[in-house]
Amino acid sequence: DTAVSQTPKYLVTQMGNDKSIKCEQNLGHDTMYWYKQDSKKFLKIMFSYNNKELIINETVPNRFSPKSPDKAHLNLHINSLELGDSAVYFCASSQDLVRVGDVSLVYGYTFGSGTRLTVV
Amino acid sequence: AQTVTQSQPEMSVQEAETVTLSCTYDTSESDYYLFWYKQPPSRQMILVIRQEAYKQQNATENRFSVNFQKAAKSFSLKISDSQLGDAAMYFCAYREYGNKLVFGAGTILRVKS
Repeated sequence: DTAVSQTPKYLVTQMGNDKSIKCEQNLGHDTMYWYKQDSKKFLKIMFSYNNKELIINETVPNRFSPKSPDKAHLNLHINSLELGDSAVYFCASSQDLVRVGDVSLVYGYTFGSGTRLTVV
Repeated sequence: AQTVTQSQPEMSVQEAETVTLSCTYDTSESDYYLFWYKQPPSRQMILVIRQEAYKQQNATENRFSVNFQKAAKSFSLKISDSQLGDAAMYFCAYREYGNKLVFGAGTILRVKS
């Protein structure tokens, strides 16, 4: 039973096309993320949603638009694809952070298996 | 902004031996968490180990342990009895309450038989 699932796993498309990547989590987590891993394997956050609300929007071209219809889903739509958009895109989720007294409870992310996007 | 530095782009270890991967981070916070993630060729991101900054005791998960030095802002990963399946890219990561996970650049670990 997959915890965080992304589709498709591979996507090859031509420059100028519009494409979407879907992500779903069945963990009951409140927060979902999109990360981009470039050709040098560096991981950088793009967006974060908490209960369908956008909370992190890093410096990302506005050709990238996330959409969260409910807290279990976070999709990524990309318009007018460019060669430089070629990368692996990871969806992830985490439980809401809970602060008990002076101590916070912080958890790692559960990642999807990634979508390798190749723009030709 | 918090930064995470992994100074070893690549490491090699002989099967059954021990290897240590280094990580340092920069923060002015006192309450934070540190993680090591493994990314094998399958590209799946797998959580290896987690350390709470308020705990002095180093985290351990089977053959994986950390050396957490809070004052030095250092968080190294030790892999004992290395196995071929340990070969992967390893990422150190930092997170605060209410904030995003920040990753280092990664260390490629090669295991020789």
